[in-house]
Amino acid sequence: AQSVTQLDSHVSVSEGTPVLLRCNYSSSYSPSLFWYVQHPNKGLQLLLKYTSAATLVKGINGFEAEFKKSETSFHLTKPSAHMSDAAEYFCVVRGNAGNMLTFGGGTRLMVKP
Amino acid sequence: EAGVAQSPRYKIIEKRQSVAFWCNPISGHATLYWYQQILGQGPKLLIQFQNNGVVDDSQLPKDRFSAERLKGVDSTLKIQPAKLEDSAVYLCASSPLDGRGLEETQYFGPGTRLLVL
Repeated sequence: AQSVTQLDSHVSVSEGTPVLLRCNYSSSYSPSLFWYVQHPNKGLQLLLKYTSAATLVKGINGFEAEFKKSETSFHLTKPSAHMSDAAEYFCVVRGNAGNMLTFGGGTRLMVKP
Repeated sequence: EAGVAQSPRYKIIEKRQSVAFWCNPISGHATLYWYQQILGQGPKLLIQFQNNGVVDDSQLPKDRFSAERLKGVDSTLKIQPAKLEDSAVYLCASSPLDGRGLEETQYFGPGTRLLVL
């Protein structure tokens, strides 16, 4: 079985400062990992995914994440936050059988002007 | 391309009533999923279809929830009778199959927000 832990339920940053959203996973095999973003009243949107290729994954809107097997982590970063980045972010692991996704509890990112 | 469509967007019912949600996946996507997202939590998979067959429904409360995808395209999710704890957002997602017949990235609809009073 796999699981995901998002270490912060809320993160607040100022516009223009770096963003770090932390995620640790547990899996008995080499996982596929994703970050999704959810804006209010909108569907989940895929930011980026890791599927055993390069460990540093670049996504949309300037986000990137680094897969660190030794630390079982997949933290999401962005060099400079924008007001439009304020949303809920979910770290997700995909099961080995089928395409079952297991979501973390989410991190709400707030961006202050 | 058009995304995953869901309706209605919002629904308010009283407990013990029944309710149904509809999902139209992205054209050509073989796999369709229904998730339940309770406020403050991540989505939880309820059921997964591939074409018109069920792949996984281990987390579907079958005493009150049912889902179908009769023609392998649209899907409906029904709750009968509803309980207060069913208040949540119900998300539909779809994914294509790759050349090896494996599911690829899931694309999500906007969800149906259900409130049970």
